[in-house]
Amino acid sequence: AQSVAQPEDQVNVAEGNPLTVKCTYSVSGNPYLFWYVQYPNRGLQFLLKYITGDNLVKGSYGFEAEFNKSQTSFHLKKPSALVSDSALYFCAVSPFSGGYNKLIFGAGTRLAVHP
Amino acid sequence: GAGVSQSPSNKVTEKGKDVELRCDPISGHTALYWYRQSLGQGLEFLIYFQGNSAPDKSGLPSDRFSAERTGGSVSTLTIQRTQQEDSAVYLCASTLRDTQYFGPGTRLTVL
Repeated sequence: AQSVAQPEDQVNVAEGNPLTVKCTYSVSGNPYLFWYVQYPNRGLQFLLKYITGDNLVKGSYGFEAEFNKSQTSFHLKKPSALVSDSALYFCAVSPFSGGYNKLIFGAGTRLAVHP
Repeated sequence: GAGVSQSPSNKVTEKGKDVELRCDPISGHTALYWYRQSLGQGLEFLIYFQGNSAPDKSGLPSDRFSAERTGGSVSTLTIQRTQQEDSAVYLCASTLRDTQYFGPGTRLTVL
């Protein structure tokens, strides 16, 4: 079965420190990979995506993600965390190339950045 | 508007009633998706519309759920005879090429 795993329910980071939010996937073929962020009582905001090319992709708000095909991972990173980054982060996979397909989401990871 | 809009933002209904949730996609976006976000199930795909093609209804949880998209733009998700397990946030997204852009959602509470 196709699935996305976010192994950590919550990640705690001190402001100014680097952060990593982990994501692994089990999907056949060459999927498109996405990260979304959700603030309280808001919809999902697109952060970044990997389709092809350079394994390190850069997105909004200073976030980046590294695609690792052999480990089927797509971890979200940021060099220096801000308190305002505290939110719920979702990794998602679109199983088929072409993009017009449903997203399979991970369960989400709550990021808490402490001052 | 600049983004996907959904209405109402909140809906409280009684068990057994029908509800309609509306989604206005970003102008020019050709594909539209509905998802459901609930505590127990996370984010689940419900249905997707792409142009004039037949919609992919594979995620609809029961025949009480239906959706339509009129004129290739606005979409309505209808839940008939609502049950308490239907309580969730219903999210709509529209797509241009590869990326889905989400609306703020409708929070449905079934009493």
